[in-house]
Amino acid sequence: KAGVTQTPRYLIKTRGQQVTLSCSPISGHRSVSWYQQTPGQGLQFLFEYFSETQRNKGNFPGRFSGRQFSNSRSEMNVSTLELGDSALYLCASSWTDRGYNSYNSPLHFGNGTRLTVT
Amino acid sequence: GQQVMQIPQYQHVQEGEDFTTYCNSSTTLSNIQWYKQRPGGHPVFLIQLVKSGEVKKQKRLTFQFGEAKKNSSLHITATQTTDVGTYFCAGQPTLGSQGNLIFGKGTKLSVKP
Repeated sequence: KAGVTQTPRYLIKTRGQQVTLSCSPISGHRSVSWYQQTPGQGLQFLFEYFSETQRNKGNFPGRFSGRQFSNSRSEMNVSTLELGDSALYLCASSWTDRGYNSYNSPLHFGNGTRLTVT
Repeated sequence: GQQVMQIPQYQHVQEGEDFTTYCNSSTTLSNIQWYKQRPGGHPVFLIQLVKSGEVKKQKRLTFQFGEAKKNSSLHITATQTTDVGTYFCAGQPTLGSQGNLIFGKGTKLSVKP
């Protein structure tokens, strides 16, 4: 089974630009989560999508947005880039049932997109 | 807000020594997961603990979930160079909704051969 695929692997953008990152989950996984990883802050939760609906959202400004398509593929967009947005952006998919409300399923992470804002 | 604190931030050991990382939550957790991230890699799921006081072993790795479900630990016996990486705990808050795991900042383990 193919793993989680993120594209592109590397991106260099300048302040003020916008960027779109893509994530293809493991086949059959309907939940896609996005995390920002930086050396100082560790892994910070951005948002989670399930069946094209944003189910959870972390504490990030509105410049960070995402969406999920009917095939479970997901994209996240960052507008008006700031220097502080430089980070590794990780996408993770998991198997989850909408009615299964007790425990999180394990996350399967992609290799990430390394975004550098200059 | 809900936080998961992880200590130590760094640990340097000689190969063959033991290693332990601790995870503490400000609130009761529904369950806790552990991940390992190798240098240059992505986090990889290791294990999930659900029950109060639960202990699970994977070869040289021992995972514990506290009785109050607010803390957890990962202990590695006789470390090897292949254990190098950053170990993260991730907790699901009891009252939080699915999909929102709160990660600790990780413990970076280096092993000197």
